[in-house]
This record gives sequence, C-alpha cells and structure tokens, in this order.
Amino acid sequence: EDKVVQSPLSLVVHEGDTVTLNCSYEVTNFRSLLWYKQEKKAPTFLFMLTSSGIEKKSGRLSSILDKKELFSILNITATQTGDSAIYLCAVWHGGSQGNLIFGKGTKLSVKP
Amino acid sequence: DADVTQTPRNRITKTGKRIMLECSQTKGHDRMYWYRQDPGLGLRLIYYSFDVKDINKGEISDGYSVSRQAQAKFSLSLESAIPNQTALYFCATSDDGYEQYFGPGTRLTVT
Repeated sequence: EDKVVQSPLSLVVHEGDTVTLNCSYEVTNFRSLLWYKQEKKAPTFLFMLTSSGIEKKSGRLSSILDKKELFSILNITATQTGDSAIYLCAVWHGGSQGNLIFGKGTKLSVKP
Repeated sequence: DADVTQTPRNRITKTGKRIMLECSQTKGHDRMYWYRQDPGLGLRLIYYSFDVKDINKGEISDGYSVSRQAQAKFSLSLESAIPNQTALYFCATSDDGYEQYFGPGTRLTVT
C-alpha cells in the first residue's frame, strides 16, 4: 500500500530556532515529492523535488530528496512566528494518470 | 478575484440531507480534485477529474458523487449526509497534477 509518513506530527520551537521536518514514503511509480504549507485554510505550494541530492531553496526554507532512502527533509532556519503552520508532504504515485498522496502533516508552532 | 472558489464556505446540515459543494476555477486547468481534511489525518482524495469526460474515484469515494459540468466547474455531492462526513473540504486544480492550487475550503458540519 502506498504511504507517506511525516514526522514529527507536531513541534513547538522558539523564534530563531532551526527546525527539520521529515517525510518518508513508499509509493509505486514515484515521480516527485512536494511540500505544501497550510496556515489558516488552503495549502500553498512550497517545493517540488524530483531528483536526489539537489537542494531546493526559498529564503529560509530548503528541502532535499533522497530517492535511495525514500525520504525528504524540509529545513527552516531562523524561524519566525509567521512560520507557524501545518507542513504537508505529498508524493505523486500511480504513473501518468496518478495523483498525489498526502502525509498527515507536521504542525509547527513558533513561540515568540 | 481568487483563481479557485468554493461555495458555500460554511454549511451546517442534518443527517440524511442531500448537499452539494461547488468549485469553480479560472486557471484554465484540466485537472480538478476534491479532498477532505480531518484533524490529524492530512488531506485525503475523494474524486478527481482529468477532463470533463474523465472522472476517477480517490481513496475515500464511498458516500460521495461528483459532476464535472464544464472544464471550470466540479461539484461534490453527498447524497445522504452522515455525521462522520463532518470535515473541511477542499477543491484543487492543476495543470500537470503536481503543483495543485487549492480553493479556500468548505467547512461542513453534519448534525
């Protein structure tokens, strides 16, 4: 059965801390892994990773994929209260007619 | 104007009632999706459509049906609502299936 597992499920840090969120997966016909951020309502796209070892970076956020070990990490440096959100990992499965399967998410709370 | 809109945004209904949630998009995407989100369970796929004539069941389609009236419109129906269908429902669109654009969500409560 295809699955995406995120850890930890929740995390509380203080402003300025660095955090690492994990996503492991087992899916057929892997094509890509995506990270989304969900603040109040709708998830918004952060990164898509297709190749191993190539870091994607956007400001204080970065992510990397390891296709051999079947996982990805999302790093956030110098966290701010605005980073508080649920971070969702999703993996494409099922070939060209497939779709995304989402993990349960990591709820990040950043305290002032 | 938002690219993906959902109506209604909030709805309270009674067990056994039929209810329809509507989704419209102006992005011109062929692919549209319906998800539900429950606390601690992430997003789960209900139905998805690659075009007007191509509709597919997702992980949790039982108790739901959909209609793709046009490229821009995708509706989700609960024929006879039950309390465990209380959830936050999202519509999403995509050009290629990877990066998906989500609507604002509909919070549905079935009493």
